[in-house]
Amino acid sequence: SQELEQSPQSLIVQEGKNLTINCTSSKTLYGLYWYKQKYGEGLIFLMMLQKGGEEKSHEKITAKLDEKKQQSSLHITASQPSHAGIYLCGADRNQAGTALIFGKGTTLSVSS
Amino acid sequence: EPEVTQTPSHQVTQMGQEVILRCVPISNHLYFYWYRQILGQKVEFLVSFYNNEISEKSEIFDDQFSVERPDGSNFTLKIRSTKLEDSAMYFCASSEAGTGFNSPLHFGNGTRLTVT
Repeated sequence: SQELEQSPQSLIVQEGKNLTINCTSSKTLYGLYWYKQKYGEGLIFLMMLQKGGEEKSHEKITAKLDEKKQQSSLHITASQPSHAGIYLCGADRNQAGTALIFGKGTTLSVSS
Repeated sequence: EPEVTQTPSHQVTQMGQEVILRCVPISNHLYFYWYRQILGQKVEFLVSFYNNEISEKSEIFDDQFSVERPDGSNFTLKIRSTKLEDSAMYFCASSEAGTGFNSPLHFGNGTRLTVT
């Protein structure tokens, strides 16, 4: 079965600094999704990547999917306290595309 | 912005009791899901539902669990005889199309189930 590994597990950065979170799959990804979760709350959709080499940006967050479609990165530029939370990558559970599985998440803390 | 609504936000039940967790998906969405997150662990897939039937389920979703769309708006998860290990946050999600069509899931804020 497909597994998603995220690194690092947790991250503390100073406000204004850049950071990168990685997500690696044991198998080829059919679709890669990034979500953010605040503690005790639901998951908020950030971005979705489909094609090898694809890159998307929204505000200060950029997500990339490598050419082989087995690794994705999420980059935050000039981090702010509002970026704090748990970032999860998700991927199609199988080729039929009827559900997502998630990595364990990366906890981001931003100190001011 | 449309959102997925879950009730109750917190449910406490005794071991062996039946619980029903309720969800109102986004109105034009066709696919519905339940996930759970045990405290400190990852978000785990339970079941997906489309066209009034289960489209996929995980090994967690055993005979103790069932899902239903009793009317045009609600989507429920029933646990027949709760166990201590069922204590978790349960998330409902919906999507316009299947994830194979690159349709993102939209999640509710969850129901925290505590089994005592």
